[in-house]
Amino acid sequence: ELKVEQNPLFLSMQEEKNYTIYCNYSTTSDRLYWYRQDPGKSLESLFVLLSNGAVKQEGRLMASLDTKARLSTLHITAAVHDLSATYFCAVDDADSWGKLQFGAGTQVVVTP
Amino acid sequence: DTEVTQTPKHLVMGMTNKKSLKCEQHMGHRAMYWYKQKAKKPPELMFVYSYEKLSINESVPSRFSPECPNSSLLNLHLHALQPEDSALYLCASSQDWGGVTDTQYFGPGTRLTVL
Repeated sequence: ELKVEQNPLFLSMQEEKNYTIYCNYSTTSDRLYWYRQDPGKSLESLFVLLSNGAVKQEGRLMASLDTKARLSTLHITAAVHDLSATYFCAVDDADSWGKLQFGAGTQVVVTP
Repeated sequence: DTEVTQTPKHLVMGMTNKKSLKCEQHMGHRAMYWYKQKAKKPPELMFVYSYEKLSINESVPSRFSPECPNSSLLNLHLHALQPEDSALYLCASSQDWGGVTDTQYFGPGTRLTVL
């Protein structure tokens, strides 16, 4: 059974500093997604990572995937207030492609 | 256009009521999904439809009944719900089910309260 672990679960960030969120998963998969969710809102797709070594960047966010280590990271550079949200990683289950297993989510709060 | 729409945005219902949630997408996607999300938790998959056929039912109680009338529409019929069913219900769609590049796009959700 695929298990996905995210850490930390809560991250208090200072503006202009750098931080990393980690996503570990338990079984083979080379499809990983990062989503953002603002309070009371839906999920917004941030990145799709589909192969070992994949790296995607958008603004202050950069995501990478190491399928051998079964690890993805979401790196935040020079945090700003509007990055405050909950970030979820989701792994596509290789035993049932299309069935996403979500991590618990990382609640990010950025303060001055 | 990567929009998935859901109606209603909010729904309050009693345990004896029958109601329906509606989801619509016009992206030509062939896979549609229902998720349930409790507060401060990740979404949990309920159902997957692929080419208008039910492909996955994650052992969801029968008081939740999905329906896919056509490739653009997905309904979730609710009957005799319990207070613990109160949650945000999210619909999603993707180009295909299980395809290599199939990002799931989520709708805004229906906030359901069962009294």
